Amino acid sequence: DVKVTQSSRYLVKRTGEKVFLECVQDMDHENMFWYRQDPGLGLRLIYFSYDVKMKEKGDIPEGYSVSREKKERFSLILESASTNQTSMYLCASSPGAGSTDTQYFGPGTRLTVL
Amino acid sequence: GIQVEQSPPDLILQEGANSTLRCNFSDSVNNLQWFHQNPWGQLINLFYIPSGTKQNGRLSATTVATERYSLLYISSSQTTDSGVYFCAVSPPTDSWGKLQFGAGTQVVVTP
Repeated sequence: DVKVTQSSRYLVKRTGEKVFLECVQDMDHENMFWYRQDPGLGLRLIYFSYDVKMKEKGDIPEGYSVSREKKERFSLILESASTNQTSMYLCASSPGAGSTDTQYFGPGTRLTVL
Repeated sequence: GIQVEQSPPDLILQEGANSTLRCNFSDSVNNLQWFHQNPWGQLINLFYIPSGTKQNGRLSATTVATERYSLLYISSSQTTDSGVYFCAVSPPTDSWGKLQFGAGTQVVVTP
């Protein structure tokens, strides 16, 4: 079974702090994704990566950056956290077969910025 | 980009009832997936179904690609079916399988 893990289930940070969210997958998947989920909006793509050190912006990249130094690990970075970044953050991975891929999700991190 | 609309936004069912969830999309797709998010936040892939019909136990799904909609059927619902159901699609022009999600249908199954 594919396993995608995220470093924290719940996280509370203060405005202006630098925040790191970590995601690890154990199935040698090529693609990894970061989404945020807000009520009534579904999931929105922040960034994705299709290879080590390769990344592409998603629909809402402002205020975020990412890092993928190893194939299995994809980090989401909030350079200076703000209250409007309070949200549920979900990481996913997919094999890399292209547009027909199935995505597998981690358990999510609920981030609160005070 | 492609638009995804799900209906109804909320659904309350009594245990044992059947229901149908709908997903409309605005353009052609070659990837359509249904997910269930349980009350603890975990998303589980239910179906990969860009066209045709599939069944998995009490759940089944049908996608009519030419008419740009997909249906998810829940039969003999159980309390464990509660959660949010998402439809997500990807157009043929996308090379990476990036998914566009609908807003979801919140389902509550009461005993």
